[in-house]
Amino acid sequence: DAKTTQPTSMDCAEGRAANLPCNHSTISGNEYVYWYRQIHSQGPQYIIHGLKNNETNEMASLIITEDRKSSTLILPHATLRDTAVYYCIVRGANDYKLSFGAGTTVTVRA
Amino acid sequence: NAGVTQTPKFRILKIGQSMTLQCAQDMNHNYMYWYRQDPGMGLKLIYYSVGAGITDKGEVPNGYNVSRSTTEDFPLRLELAAPSQTSVYFCASNDRALNYGYTFGSGTRLTVV
Repeated sequence: DAKTTQPTSMDCAEGRAANLPCNHSTISGNEYVYWYRQIHSQGPQYIIHGLKNNETNEMASLIITEDRKSSTLILPHATLRDTAVYYCIVRGANDYKLSFGAGTTVTVRA
Repeated sequence: NAGVTQTPKFRILKIGQSMTLQCAQDMNHNYMYWYRQDPGMGLKLIYYSVGAGITDKGEVPNGYNVSRSTTEDFPLRLELAAPSQTSVYFCASNDRALNYGYTFGSGTRLTVV
C-alpha cells in the first residue's frame, strides 16, 4: 500500500468549508483513495473513495490531482458534529485490507 | 439492518484470563476484519477473513485467534490476556464486489489488569 501524509490537526469554523489535504506521492495506478472519519470513541465511518475522477456524495467531495499524488477531502458546510479524526487511506482494488495511519484531527469551532 | 454488532461493549479481564469478543453482521458480507486501537493511535489489523472457513493474519495477530464458521459471525479469542492487550477492538465487514467502504461496529473496550 502507498503511504499517506496528512497534517496532524486543523481547525475549521462552523458553516465554512473544511479542506483536508492528503499526500500519496507513491500511489500506483490501481490504488484507490479512501477517506474515513472516527468520531470520539466510535468505530470509523466510511466517507468517500475515488480512483482518479473527482467524487461527490451527500457527505463530502473528493478532489484528486491529475497526477494522483495528492487529494483533498472537502466538507462543504462543516458542523460541530464533523469534529473527528479523518483518515486518508490508499488501497489497491484487489487488496482486502485497510491500513490506518494517525489521521488529521479536525476540530470545528462555533 | 443492524449492520455490524459487537459484544460486549466493555470488559475488564485479569491477566491470564481468556475471553471471546463477538462480532456479527447481517449484510451478507464475505469480508470481515478485526482491528485494535490503542489510545491516541490508528487502527491496526489483527486478523481478517474473506469467507466462511478462511482466515488470515494481519499486522498484529500474536495473542489472538479467530474462526469463521458462518458468513455472519467472526469471533476473536484471547487465550491468555496480557496488559498489552488493553485496547479498543473494532470489527468491520465489507462486500468487496461492490468496492464500498467498510462498515465498522461500535467497538469493545477491553482492559486487562
